[in-house]
Amino acid sequence: DAEITQSPRHKITETGRQVTLACHQTWNHNNMFWYRQDLGHGLRLIHYSYGVQDTNKGEVSDGYSVSRSNTEDLPLTLESAASSQTSVYFCASSEGTGNTEAFFGQGTRLTVV
Amino acid sequence: GQSLEQPSEVTAVEGAIVQINCTYQTSGFYGLSWYQQHDGGAPTFLSYNALDGLEETGRFSSFLSRSDSYGYLLLQELQMKDSASYFCAVRDSAGKSTFGDGTTLTVKP
Repeated sequence: DAEITQSPRHKITETGRQVTLACHQTWNHNNMFWYRQDLGHGLRLIHYSYGVQDTNKGEVSDGYSVSRSNTEDLPLTLESAASSQTSVYFCASSEGTGNTEAFFGQGTRLTVV
Repeated sequence: GQSLEQPSEVTAVEGAIVQINCTYQTSGFYGLSWYQQHDGGAPTFLSYNALDGLEETGRFSSFLSRSDSYGYLLLQELQMKDSASYFCAVRDSAGKSTFGDGTTLTVKP
């Protein structure tokens, strides 16, 4: 069965370190998204991609970067982790435009100390 | 930009019907989605409306009025397992979604 997986599921890192969160999907979807979710809030878009070599900034992109070298993967990098980036991170993918649902990974809980 | 408003909390009893409203202000509106998220879990897709009217999927229905920038999710025959957070999300033509802050539904016996 096709799926979308995130790793690691939990991560503790120190302020100032570079951290990369992995997202891998086997749906062969063109669209991939990274969101962060803070306690009691909705999902805020960090970065997104509509295909290989395409990346775009979302509403909360400062301090984050992504790259899309193949269809399956969209790793999210925190260049220099800050305590404000402590959050739960969700990766999602969808087929494309139109009436298509987004499938979410199980999330990565990141704590910056 | 996009903004969505939905109630922060709703409480109902088992077997009842509950409606969760969502109003939005947006540019480039293409459709309205609804997602369910249980504590500690991932959001899962419930429904999508691109046109005005009601879409029914089992116990869940979703409604959209584009002229009023308004939609709602209707949950019937509530069960304890329906206790979760529910998010509306505006989708643009390219497939990107902006989410509301979510409504926490508590179902009581």
